[in-house]
Amino acid sequence: EAGVVQSPRYKIIEKKQPVAFWCNPISGHNTLYWYRQNLGQGPELLIRYENEEAVDDSQLPKDRFSAERLKGVDSTLKIQPAELGDSAVYLCASSPRLAFAYEQYFGPGTRLTVT
Amino acid sequence: GQQLNQSPQSMFIQEGEDVSMNCTSSSIFNTWLWYKQDPGEGPVLLIALYKAGELTSNGRLTAQFGITRKDSFLNISASIPSDVGIYFCAGHNNNDMRFGAGTRLTVKP
Repeated sequence: EAGVVQSPRYKIIEKKQPVAFWCNPISGHNTLYWYRQNLGQGPELLIRYENEEAVDDSQLPKDRFSAERLKGVDSTLKIQPAELGDSAVYLCASSPRLAFAYEQYFGPGTRLTVT
Repeated sequence: GQQLNQSPQSMFIQEGEDVSMNCTSSSIFNTWLWYKQDPGEGPVLLIALYKAGELTSNGRLTAQFGITRKDSFLNISASIPSDVGIYFCAGHNNNDMRFGAGTRLTVKP
């Protein structure tokens, strides 16, 4: 069974530029999570989807971050414009159940560097 | 966001040694979890603990859910080189999961 797929794996951009990350969860998984992991820290939740509905986006900086999961399968996270402090690893995870499950399957992440 | 207090921050041990790390929180959690993250990968769940006082093993790994529900520890016995990585604790409630900052483990052959 294929795991969570994320692309790109690495991205370097200049500040004020836009950037987008893509995630394809494990087939059949209803819940999808986007996390940000700063250097030397654990992951922090940005947004959680149950199917195509964003059920928890309280930690998403909505002035510059947006996300979508249009058909309830793959998802895109966008930052526009990027700031220096956005440099981090962006992790996508999925779980088979609805609701906030602890048993999450993480992708390898996208490492973003903003210069 | 608020994270759990995990210690130590890093450990350097010799192959074959045992290692212990712990995690504390000011909040109560219903479930405690331990994840491992290898370089360039996402975290992978190692152990889940559901009940205060519970002691659970997974191979050479043993974890306990603290009686106060505000702490947990993870032990690794007879470490081997592939134990190298970052170990994260996490506390889970119905609609929330918080991670510690991780313990970076280095195992010298």
